[in-house]
Amino acid sequence: QSVLTQPPSVSGAPGQRVTISCTGSSSNIGAGYDVHWYQQLPGTAPTLLIYANTNRPSGVPDRFSGSKSGTSASLAITGLQAEDEADYYCQSYDTSLGVFGGGTKLTVL
Amino acid sequence: EVQLVESGGGLVQPGGSLTLSCAASGFTVSSNYMGWVRQAPGKGLEWVSVIYSGGNTHYADSVKGRFTISRDNSKNTLSLQMNSLRAEDTAVYYCAKVEYSSGWYFDYWGQGTLVTVSS
Repeated sequence: QSVLTQPPSVSGAPGQRVTISCTGSSSNIGAGYDVHWYQQLPGTAPTLLIYANTNRPSGVPDRFSGSKSGTSASLAITGLQAEDEADYYCQSYDTSLGVFGGGTKLTVL
Repeated sequence: EVQLVESGGGLVQPGGSLTLSCAASGFTVSSNYMGWVRQAPGKGLEWVSVIYSGGNTHYADSVKGRFTISRDNSKNTLSLQMNSLRAEDTAVYYCAKVEYSSGWYFDYWGQGTLVTVSS
């Protein structure tokens, strides 16, 4: 049971927009801690996708965006592409602990 | 260019010990927060431990008292000493550079090293 809750899977057709939710509580996201997102392509290590709720590291396409409100956060992917098929994880902070969501598998139809 | 390369994984019996190492390049380990994250086969990510630039350390409850994170400033490396290993510690262990912004996050990751705990 992960501290942060994500849907196990989402899917979309190429070109479509999908969103992945991440729900926490008053001790992590709701306490004002930032939310970060990681992408894990099949068979590879995770990479940072979004940091501090809304910021993209250099090299991440602007098709990826993040938002945060209250005790939840969301990752949106527009103009879905085949190479976006991957696992996505949200992550935050909770009283000296790092906490991850359980991960969401994105399937591009 | 930031690079992280883990080593030291392998097969170990329950109750045994293993030390993982992470060689860093492109930045100074001692000036940054560093951490370990693991991923059991077919499962999600789990934060394991963090060491701050000042030396303070934090551990997940699941490994507290059994794992020790440390660094070697002269070699620019990070280590994870794992004792009293259990089957549930079986996972790929990733070394990561940590950044702080109202809580911390992992901005660079190594390729991971597999630890298998089995008799």
